[in-house]
Amino acid sequence: GDSVTQMEGPVTLSEEAFLTINCTYTATGYPSLFWYVQYPGEGLQLLLKATKADDKGSNKGFEATYRKETTSFHLEKGSVQVSDSAVYFCALRATGNQFYFGTGTSLTVIP
Amino acid sequence: DGGITQSPKYLFRKEGQNVTLSCEQNLNHDAMYWYRQDPGQGLRLIYYSQIVNDFQKGDIAEGYSVSREKKESFPLTVTSAQKNPTAFYLCASSTFRTTNEKLFFGSGTQLSVL
Repeated sequence: GDSVTQMEGPVTLSEEAFLTINCTYTATGYPSLFWYVQYPGEGLQLLLKATKADDKGSNKGFEATYRKETTSFHLEKGSVQVSDSAVYFCALRATGNQFYFGTGTSLTVIP
Repeated sequence: DGGITQSPKYLFRKEGQNVTLSCEQNLNHDAMYWYRQDPGQGLRLIYYSQIVNDFQKGDIAEGYSVSREKKESFPLTVTSAQKNPTAFYLCASSTFRTTNEKLFFGSGTQLSVL
């Protein structure tokens, strides 16, 4: 069945460090891929998305490229800020209109 | 502004009690979903509905029930049969216009057992 495997955390980085959070997926067909962010006590917000192979989603300095050959959608940011501290979820939308989420990666950025 | 409203923000359940979590959306979305989130874990699907008066069980439906009498509303009842209900509950909705449409989330309800 469809699934998402996400790098486990927690991740702690110093401000201005480079961030990578790995995400790989298993799916039949051609799913859409998403990264969501969750701040404490809140719901999830869409960070970025990509809908077909080689698409790059980007937002607020975060980027992720849909790699069909490696079934991956890794999240990257060149220089993290304290305000980026949150939990990040990788997700896919399957052909049956169901969404599958990774287990989430907690990021803490220290000044 | 369109969005999803969950209420209450915090809810306490006594032993043997049923409680109902509210979820309302004004986005005109056909599909609505309920997820459970435990600390340090991902989201697990409880129930989803793709059309009024129809819904399907997700991965962890036991001890929960839902209804979808109106397009805008998808309440979740946590029954006394759910022995470990303490968790953060998230409601979400989406449209079927295209397959790349995202999920919109509410702000969640934290349920605790007294």
